[in-house]
Amino acid sequence: GEDVEQSLFLSVREGDSSVINCTYTDSSSTYLYWYKQEPGAGLQLLTYIFSNMDMKQDQRLTVLLNKKDKHLSLRIADTQTGDSAIYFCAESSPRSGYSTLTFGKGTMLLVSP
Amino acid sequence: DGGITQSPKYLFRKEGQNVTLSCEQNLNHDAMYWYRQDPGQGLRLIYYSQIVNDFQKGDIAEGYSVSREKKESFPLTVTSAQKNPTAFYLCASSLRGAGKDTQYFGPGTRLTVL
Repeated sequence: GEDVEQSLFLSVREGDSSVINCTYTDSSSTYLYWYKQEPGAGLQLLTYIFSNMDMKQDQRLTVLLNKKDKHLSLRIADTQTGDSAIYFCAESSPRSGYSTLTFGKGTMLLVSP
Repeated sequence: DGGITQSPKYLFRKEGQNVTLSCEQNLNHDAMYWYRQDPGQGLRLIYYSQIVNDFQKGDIAEGYSVSREKKESFPLTVTSAQKNPTAFYLCASSLRGAGKDTQYFGPGTRLTVL
């Protein structure tokens, strides 16, 4: 099956690290994505990782992929109040020849001062 | 200034009426997508198109229709057959529609059925 699951809510203090977790069930997934959505807006791509990689770092963002456990995580270092948003994990779907994405339900990150 | 535009931002309609949501992109992307977002439900794919004059149903196509007569435009019609149309609708595009191609999103249209 193709289900992407995320915890619904995470609360952290400004300056702390945030870790948002995602699990997926389709072992054929090739690309995994993290998107950010601010209130009332569209989705903004944060980063992506190819399934043959274990880790990818981009400034304050670190993505870890455990392919054996089908677990993906996004770590945000030095979290700021501007990071408060909904974060979506998504995988490319082999069902459509990898031409579409399957999204999780999103994790709402709340950063308090 | 390249990007994806959706109009209108807010749309109200009466029950039983069809309504068309606009999506335009000037990124020269081949593939375009429509998603529906409900609170706590994430994004669900309605329709997608990988090339002009061709489109495929997504996971929740019932009650919706699309056309792709031009590369830059992918309008979505919400018909009266859609039982619960109130939602936030997001349009996206990608270069070729392959899994490695990043999808870029428009700002969304919030549809409310009165």
